Amino acid sequence: AQSVTQPDIHITVSEGASLELRCNYSYGATPYLFWYVQSPGQGLQLLLKYFSGDTLVQGIKGFEAEFKRSQSSFNLRKPSVHWSDAAEYFCAVGAWPMEYGNKLVFGAGTILRVKS
Amino acid sequence: DSGVTQTPKHLITATGQRVTLRCSPRSGDLSVYWYQQSLDQGLQFLIQYYNGEERAKGNILERFSAQQFPDLHSELNLSSLELGDSALYFCASSPRDGVGSPLHFGNGTRLTVT
Repeated sequence: AQSVTQPDIHITVSEGASLELRCNYSYGATPYLFWYVQSPGQGLQLLLKYFSGDTLVQGIKGFEAEFKRSQSSFNLRKPSVHWSDAAEYFCAVGAWPMEYGNKLVFGAGTILRVKS
Repeated sequence: DSGVTQTPKHLITATGQRVTLRCSPRSGDLSVYWYQQSLDQGLQFLIQYYNGEERAKGNILERFSAQQFPDLHSELNLSSLELGDSALYFCASSPRDGVGSPLHFGNGTRLTVT
């Protein structure tokens, strides 16, 4: 069964600094990978997704992520963090084969704090 | 706004009771998913419906059931509630059933069991 590990529970960065949130997955086949963001009191919003092709994917709000098969990683990055980026970030992997439906397995999340 | 509507936003009830959570998917989306988010378990997939039919099942307890109606809205029924059922319950929808069809989440229903 697939699993997702987000090793950092909390991360604090200064506004304007760069950000990298780590995500490692365990899955036997080519994964479908996602990053979602959850602000307090809100649902999850899709930031970006990787299905195939270019291993560097661009998302909304200036985020990008790089798929590295050799490291089973899909780390999220942003060159300059804004205070409004403070939220909880979830990495997720899609299930395969299709008889399992479109189930997503989520990591435990990383809470990002931004200090001014 | 994701376009997914969940009601109610908050629900407080006692142990042993039964509640129903409702979800209206985005216009045109055929798949509906239910997830449970709790501090100790994180985000757990419960169940998926596609065009009225159950498609996939996750860690859903036997005390819980769901259905998707012809108008595509969905309800999650939780019965014989226990303190440990207190959580945030999310509904999500997607246009299709296929793997990789991005999910759009509602804002959740916070259930508190006392």
